[in-house]
Amino acid sequence: AQKVTQAQTEISVVEKEDVTLDCVYETRDTTYYLFWYKQPPSGELVFLIRRNSFDEQNEISGRYSWNFQKSTSSFNFTITASQVVDSAVYFCALSEAVQGAQKLVFGQGTRLTINP
Amino acid sequence: GAGVSQTPSNKVTEKGKYVELRCDPISGHTALYWYRQSLGQGPEFLIYFQGTGAADDSGLPNDRFFAVRPEGSVSTLKIQRTERGDSAVYLCASSPDIGGRSYNEQFFGPGTRLTVL
Repeated sequence: AQKVTQAQTEISVVEKEDVTLDCVYETRDTTYYLFWYKQPPSGELVFLIRRNSFDEQNEISGRYSWNFQKSTSSFNFTITASQVVDSAVYFCALSEAVQGAQKLVFGQGTRLTINP
Repeated sequence: GAGVSQTPSNKVTEKGKYVELRCDPISGHTALYWYRQSLGQGPEFLIYFQGTGAADDSGLPNDRFFAVRPEGSVSTLKIQRTERGDSAVYLCASSPDIGGRSYNEQFFGPGTRLTVL
């Protein structure tokens, strides 16, 4: 069975600090996709990034960066110079492709609070 | 353009009642998903539609839950004989999925918060 573990339940940092959210996954598939979503207080899940299992290049988008390491089954997310608007719950997810479905298996989420 | 919309945004009902939750996906998206998110948890998959047919309903917890998408657009999640344990946020997502490729982004709606008293 596929599983995503986000061991950090809550993180609280002061604005402008860097923060890394951890994600560890389990799957027997050789082809899979990993995602990060942001859920602000409004509740709507906002897509941040998608990576496929064949591309281990790290990615940077502004203050956000992602580190994908197949050897440790991890897909960590770093926010550099955090801002109060980054406060949200962040979910890591794994795409399980069964009979064409793209079922997302989510971790439990990490609640990130950025204090001014 | 318009995103995924869900109605109602909040629904309070009594134990044993029947409820319907509606999802309007992004126009043209062929794939539609329902997830359930309990407090403090990540969303859990319920059912997936490709067009009008339920391609995978393995996440539905029991036979009290049923979903339809008769014209391949709007979907309704139906819960019979509601129980207090059904209280959660029900999320709908749509995707321009074609041919079962696993990499398309799912666009989520704001959810319906269901409270069963």
